[in-house]
Amino acid sequence: DIKMTQSPSSLSASLGERVTISCRASENINNILAWYQKKEDGSVKLLIYYTSNLQSGVPSRFSGSGSGKDYSLTISGLESEDIATYYCQQGYTPPLTFGSGTKLEIK
Amino acid sequence: EVKLLESGGGLVQPGGSMRLSCAASGFTFTDFYMNWIRQPAGKAPEWLGFIRNKANGYTTEYNPSVKGRFTISRDNTQNMLYLQMNTLRAEDTATYYCARWPLGAHYFDYWGQGVMVTVSS
Repeated sequence: DIKMTQSPSSLSASLGERVTISCRASENINNILAWYQKKEDGSVKLLIYYTSNLQSGVPSRFSGSGSGKDYSLTISGLESEDIATYYCQQGYTPPLTFGSGTKLEIK
Repeated sequence: EVKLLESGGGLVQPGGSMRLSCAASGFTFTDFYMNWIRQPAGKAPEWLGFIRNKANGYTTEYNPSVKGRFTISRDNTQNMLYLQMNTLRAEDTATYYCARWPLGAHYFDYWGQGVMVTVSS
């Protein structure tokens, strides 16, 4: 299975700050990478698919980039509603696998 | 509006069985692959498997970690997705989600709110 390693596991940032979360795959996943946001109530929302495509309805402060094994999610201007845990997921090789998450808190 | 609503979770003894349900609405159910994903507390989500759409014969694929114990099915007349779980173990304790797979995609665009399954004596 492809292992997805996220860093950091937790992050504290100030409102308005730019935040970047990293995700490394154990092998090349050819940009087949998605990012999800999970809120405290358990709800899960797709943010980014195929590395850099913004899902409909997601604020433009969210962006994704990367290639090969290394990918990142950036929030440009943190807002209070962004407090959540973020997960990456590879869809290149089954079984589909997820990172262990990055918990984002307000400083 | 796309909605997915899981039900059927709870407490089950080790070795027991449980069936989860997922009620889908707001889209043409037969057009989409449907998935089950679980997440133990404090751990990464784990994809369990999917059932294909009508065009692909409603066939299934599973994560090897649960293949042979878990079965995914669907009732397309009721827009329902099911997960039959047998020979349950403590490590199956998790929140279980159903999720939709967009056509031709390799990610999940809508998730249910999740249902908790606890395997314990």
